[in-house]
Amino acid sequence: DAMVIQNPRYQVTQFGKPVTLSCSQTLNHNVMYWYQQKSSQAPKLLFHYYDKDFNNEADTPDNFQSRRPNTSFCFLDIRSPGLGDAAMYLCATSSELDYEQYFGPGTRLTVT
Amino acid sequence: SQQGEEDPQALSIQEGENATMNCSYKTSINNLQWYRQNSGRGLVHLILIRSNEREKHSGRLRVTLDTSKKSSSLLITASRAADTASYFCATLLSGNTPLVFGKGTRLSVIA
Repeated sequence: DAMVIQNPRYQVTQFGKPVTLSCSQTLNHNVMYWYQQKSSQAPKLLFHYYDKDFNNEADTPDNFQSRRPNTSFCFLDIRSPGLGDAAMYLCATSSELDYEQYFGPGTRLTVT
Repeated sequence: SQQGEEDPQALSIQEGENATMNCSYKTSINNLQWYRQNSGRGLVHLILIRSNEREKHSGRLRVTLDTSKKSSSLLITASRAADTASYFCATLLSGNTPLVFGKGTRLSVIA
């Protein structure tokens, strides 16, 4: 049974057109993370929520924002996608910050 | 800055052989984790080893941690074609900071 679900799996958006990626979890974990991963690179943490507390990485562009309306759901909003934002976006959860993370299958974003 | 660095960047072996991947890091850690990623998919957690542990096993996987050398190794014994994937080490620094992933090792197991 899927524990971390990401929708859609593939998303195509136009340059500058806002896009929202979604993530849901059935694990009831406290922490939810969003990563950006470009081809043959390491996942790069954008931000994470510990419960309702939002933690933004220092180098995450302002173009990226996130919402966590409840324990189960977390959204990644890209306000004005550029060509450089084309990547795989991975959502992950963990029960605590120092525990293992469970990843969703990812959403591959294409910007045209 | 990158905390974990895997070595080698790419590894190609025959099915049945053992595969060893290494990870070095720079600062004191709370724990170190290894993940596998199949092409175009999400990451799968393999093993977590805490800073006070030296070795852990899980099936065909063996992870060692040497905090004096700031290094870890992942050994996959009797490799299978299905082990073909990228393997990432990730370090959790002391204090409540999130994981930092290394660049990964791409393992190819040839049947």
